[in-house]
Amino acid sequence: KAGVTQTPRYLIKTRGQQVTLSCSPISGHRSVSWYQQTPGQGLQFLFEYFSETQRNKGNFPGRFSGRQFSNSRSEMNVSTLELGDSALYLCASSVSGGSPEAFFGQGTRLTVV
Amino acid sequence: ILNVEQSPQSLHVQEGDSTNFTCSFPSSNFYALHWYRWETAKSPEALFVMTLNGDEKKKGRISATLNTKEGYSYLYIKGSQPEDSATYLCVTRRAGGTSYGKLTFGQGTILTVHP
Repeated sequence: KAGVTQTPRYLIKTRGQQVTLSCSPISGHRSVSWYQQTPGQGLQFLFEYFSETQRNKGNFPGRFSGRQFSNSRSEMNVSTLELGDSALYLCASSVSGGSPEAFFGQGTRLTVV
Repeated sequence: ILNVEQSPQSLHVQEGDSTNFTCSFPSSNFYALHWYRWETAKSPEALFVMTLNGDEKKKGRISATLNTKEGYSYLYIKGSQPEDSATYLCVTRRAGGTSYGKLTFGQGTILTVHP
């Protein structure tokens, strides 16, 4: 059974640019949630998608957005990048409803210069 | 307790020592608690998920307990080995509407096991 796949693994962008990260959940999982870890900080919740709908959103500026496709793959987009957006972005995949288990990708390490 | 809090932040032990970590969390609207083991540049690896007060789970040398009434969980490692060195994350889910899909993380406990 394939795990959660995040692409790309590493990314370097310039301030002001925008970036799109991708997360393919485990087959059959309909919930995808995204988290940010900046240096010295714990993992902070960005948003969660279930069946193509954003179900919950964390306390991040509007520059952070996401979407989910009909095959449950999810993308997150950050526009007008700032140096402080440099972080590890992790996504989690869950069945949603029933089992509470969550599985993670390896993350995307974004560096903004 | 408003957030998920883990202690200690880091721990250095000798090979063969037994160790334990603590996770404290808000007990209201509790749904599930997860323990993950996270090595650098890898995906967090699920160790246990617990939902019921009094749950005890065991996997080899690692075990965990859960007290939902008072809002804490313990993770125990018996006879630590160098390969146990990792960050151990405590993660909770809360019940109620859209909160279910949001995972709340502790800061993690960094364990280093010296040969």
